[in-house]
Amino acid sequence: SAVISQKPSRDICQRGTSLTIQCQVDSQVTMMFWYRQQPGQSLTLIATANQGSEATYESGFVIDKFPISRPNLTFSTLTVSNMSPEDSSIYLCSAGTGNTEAFFGQGTRLTVV
Amino acid sequence: AQSVTQLGSHVSVSEGALVLLRCNYSSSVPPYLFWYVQYPNQGLQLLLKYTTGATLVKGINGFEAEFKKSETSFHLTKPSAHMSDAAEYFCAVSGSGGSYIPTFGRGTSLIVHP
Repeated sequence: SAVISQKPSRDICQRGTSLTIQCQVDSQVTMMFWYRQQPGQSLTLIATANQGSEATYESGFVIDKFPISRPNLTFSTLTVSNMSPEDSSIYLCSAGTGNTEAFFGQGTRLTVV
Repeated sequence: AQSVTQLGSHVSVSEGALVLLRCNYSSSVPPYLFWYVQYPNQGLQLLLKYTTGATLVKGINGFEAEFKKSETSFHLTKPSAHMSDAAEYFCAVSGSGGSYIPTFGRGTSLIVHP
């Protein structure tokens, strides 16, 4: 298994600002992902974080809004840029080795005011 | 393409009663199937998984699920509900098209009454 540490755990931000969320895994993993979970809803995949190259974004998500870095096999960041109240959500980091289950961090609860 | 359908956004049971949460999947290849639980203000925790082999899978906290290929189902059960089981439960599938990125269902909120 993998233990994923995500921070901050929660934040309240002003609209128009940006927030960077950090994700640290305690072991080397093949795959890292970022999900969004809006209130009362399921998880929506934002992107796959690729080590040393640009992230792979899902339909509806763009790099300018959600820049992602993954400098090594155990660390990734997600930035939510130019935030609006519609960005208020839970953001979850996930990691896996590709053919087993995905592990999740505790999530970052973001409120944009 | 792969997808998951969870029937019932809310399931309400009495403490001590059987828990049954339904999950049907769509996948073009033998799938990997998962159930996750999310307690309030927490991330997702894996309850159990099916990859290959025995179709009845036992997980943590007394939960189990059975993979039924003919019915494309992976329902989650627990013989006797505890108050502490109240949470959101997500079914997920991966493996289709060579993708091991899980696709999640919409989730089922389990409510346990005393």
